[in-house]
Amino acid sequence: AQTVTQSQPEMSVQEAETVTLSCTYDTSESDYYLFWYKQPPSRQMILVIRQEAYKQQNATENRFSVNFQKAAKSFSLKISDSQLGDAAMYFCAYRSFSGGSNYKLTFGKGTLLTVNP
Amino acid sequence: GAGVSQSPRYKVTKRGQDVALRCDPISGHVSLYWYRQALGQGPEFLTDFNYEAQQDKSGLPNDRFSAERPEGSISTLTIQRTEQRDSAMYRCASSLTSGRAHEQYFGPGTRLTVT
Repeated sequence: AQTVTQSQPEMSVQEAETVTLSCTYDTSESDYYLFWYKQPPSRQMILVIRQEAYKQQNATENRFSVNFQKAAKSFSLKISDSQLGDAAMYFCAYRSFSGGSNYKLTFGKGTLLTVNP
Repeated sequence: GAGVSQSPRYKVTKRGQDVALRCDPISGHVSLYWYRQALGQGPEFLTDFNYEAQQDKSGLPNDRFSAERPEGSISTLTIQRTEQRDSAMYRCASSLTSGRAHEQYFGPGTRLTVT
């Protein structure tokens, strides 16, 4: 079974600065998806960014980018020019592509990001 | 509808009572997923459906938990004889198909409190 580990329960950053959230995962599969979800105080789940394992190029979405290291099974999220609205719980998630019908997401425990003005 | 909806948003029930949680996926979405999120934790998979067929129920904690999607649209997660440890946020997600490229869209969740 796949596992996802987020080793930083809490992180803080000053507004306008850059912060990196860490995520590692364990899998024996070669093809899969990785995601970062944001959960603001409203507790909605919002997709921030996703990475396909077979793509070597790191995904980017505006101020959000990832550092995907497949051999190291590492998938960190970098937030540039942090804004107050970025304050939230961030979850790293794994989705396998085993060829079957089960595409469930496996989540880490989350990192609570605080943005200081 | 604009997104996945769930009802009720909040449910307080007494230990031993049965509860039914409803999920209305995005129109046309074939795949539907149920997750449970304890406080301070990430969501954990419970079960999923393609159309009306239940695909994987390995995440259901025990036989008090069941789910159905009889017409391939709305789904109900039922918890019988609730216990305090069942208190959590229950989330539903849907995707266009179960295909690899299709994002899961999450609903707002039902916060269940068992007293």
